[in-house]
Amino acid sequence: QLQLQESGSGLVKPSQTLSLTCAVSGGSISSGGYSWSWIRQPPGKGLEWIGYIYHSGSTYYNPSLKSRVTISVDRSKNQFSLKLNSVTAADTAVYYCARDSYDILTGWRWFDPWGQGTLVTVSS
Amino acid sequence: SYELTQPPSVSVAPGKTARIPCGGNNIGSKNVHWYQQKPGQAPVLVIYRDSNRPSGIPERFSGSNSGNTATLTISRAQAGDEADYYCQVWDSSTSVVFGGGTKLTVL
Repeated sequence: QLQLQESGSGLVKPSQTLSLTCAVSGGSISSGGYSWSWIRQPPGKGLEWIGYIYHSGSTYYNPSLKSRVTISVDRSKNQFSLKLNSVTAADTAVYYCARDSYDILTGWRWFDPWGQGTLVTVSS
Repeated sequence: SYELTQPPSVSVAPGKTARIPCGGNNIGSKNVHWYQQKPGQAPVLVIYRDSNRPSGIPERFSGSNSGNTATLTISRAQAGDEADYYCQVWDSSTSVVFGGGTKLTVL
């Protein structure tokens, strides 16, 4: 059974860079037909998709975050990572990683499974 | 940009049917997916591509999509169904879009 586990710094100072890693177990990140996403949820609020990456390294980001986001993949470690720079208090959220299934013709995608999430707080 | 609209809350009596709507412009032309999120837990996919249930999801959960509204239907509602429910689509201009979420109360 595929499992995802987020890890990284739980407290980041304003203007610095948030860094998280998602370890994938029970399956290969290089499996065809999937991509890998980061999604976040501010406390008490809804879900916001950040971006996804294919095992090839190709990425696609939420236009509203694109200028600050980098997602990368390490196939040898079966994991992918998120970097978000110039953070502010508005970036405080639970960050989830997830596997995307998608329709190759339309791009429609959905997320299953999800990691348990990790809370990142931006504060000095 | 594409937007999805959900009511903040829906209530249902135990054993009855709950219907959670998700509104969007011509949403019937898109695939809609639904997630259940219980307090302190990660979201779980309960319906994908409008009406398909992943393995392990009870048959009580079903979905439909037409016109400007998609609907998640939960039959024979149970206390364990209390959760936040989110709809989600992919839009070519906005990419991944989530609805604001609906809190289901079973009382």
